[in-house]
Formats: sequence, C-alpha cells, structure tokens
Amino acid sequence: GAVVSQHPSRVICKSGTSVKIECRSLDFQATTMFWYRQFPKQSLMLMATSNEGSKATYEQGVEKDKFLINHASLTLSTLTVTSAHPEDSSFYICSARAPRVQYFGPGTRLTVT
Amino acid sequence: AQSVTQPDIHITVSEGASLELRCNYSYGATPYLFWYVQSPGQGLQLLLKYFSGDTLVQGIKGFEAEFKRSQSSFNLRKPSVHWSDAAEYFCAVAKYSGGGADGLTFGKGTHLIIQP
Repeated sequence: GAVVSQHPSRVICKSGTSVKIECRSLDFQATTMFWYRQFPKQSLMLMATSNEGSKATYEQGVEKDKFLINHASLTLSTLTVTSAHPEDSSFYICSARAPRVQYFGPGTRLTVT
Repeated sequence: AQSVTQPDIHITVSEGASLELRCNYSYGATPYLFWYVQSPGQGLQLLLKYFSGDTLVQGIKGFEAEFKRSQSSFNLRKPSVHWSDAAEYFCAVAKYSGGGADGLTFGKGTHLIIQP
C-alpha cells in the first residue's frame, strides 16, 4: 500500500507555544488529506479535510483558528496547533486520499506541558 | 448522524482459535464500511472494505467481514488467530456520501489480546 509519513513522531512543547506537524504522501499525489485526533483509549475523531490549494474544511466543534491547516502541495499537508494548551495533548493522525481509500500516517504524539 | 458502535472494548482469544469482532453502524443511506487495524508505532492499516455487491468481503491477513443490512452490522472474523494479530481494531463508516475517500467516523475500537 501507499506510504504516508508524519513528522515529528513525538513532540513536547510548553503551554502557549505553537507546534507544526507535517503529513507527507511519499509515493502518490494527494489532493485531499484528512486530520484526525485520537485521545487515549478513544476512537479517532475527524478534525478537518485538507484540500490542496484551498481552505480546509473543519468538522463541527473544531476551532479553525487553533488548528491551522495548510495543504501547500500535492504531497504535503501541515497542521499547526497554535497557542497550545495541555488539553491539546493528544495523538494526531493524518491520512491521504487515494481513489476509494485513504492511507494513514503513523501519528504524532503531542504533549503540552 | 452516522455512528459506529464496537460493543467489545477488549477481547481475549487463544492462539489458533477463531475470532469475531462486532461492529454496528447507524447510517441513513448505503454505508461504506471499513475495518482497520492499529499497531503501536504504525499507521492504521486497512483490512477490508465494503462498498456494494457481495456482502461477504475478504481482506488481508486472512480476515473477512460480513455486511448484514437487516442487523446494521459489519462483523470481522478470522478462522484462526496468530499472536501477531494482537492489536487495536477499528470499524469505520464513511462520514459523508463520497465513499471510502471521505473522512471516516470510527468506532471506539476493540483491543485484541492473544493468549498463548
């Protein structure tokens, strides 16, 4: 299957700072990528749909000013958590869209202290 | 709104025994259904999917699932589990009508433990 990478795999930041997470599709072009959030022992929750060259579409209840998404190229989408707080600590997972299927990255563990 | 229920949080199965993981969905139209497996340090891997047609779907690693519209279920099965099957399993439905390439609504997952 196709490969999707995320960087970094783990990040620890101080409260009030911003953190950027990268999602790359390594062997195919993805006009659409998705960002999910997973709390410990919980399911994945869709946060937003990232479309190359246009604004992201956010799910209800997700603060678009806190979670900035940029899909600058066909292989890269970034999620920036702005002014992070401890409650933003979570596991963030991206996926890249291929015909009738999506491929998931390994996730990024964010800890805000 | 669509939803996915996985009633079993944990399941313990002996190696070599058969496995069934339950999944029920709530969706107004024809659902696009998926089973994913998540292992530590690895991304979610697609086991199988159902879009239409034959209600018994074959997947990778010897897994299969059966779509039963009357029961709103899409249970995952494997006739004989291996220790390497220990992982977290997620059932999912496409959130919108765009099929498998749209955002997904996931169940809470079932943690599978394999006993030697």
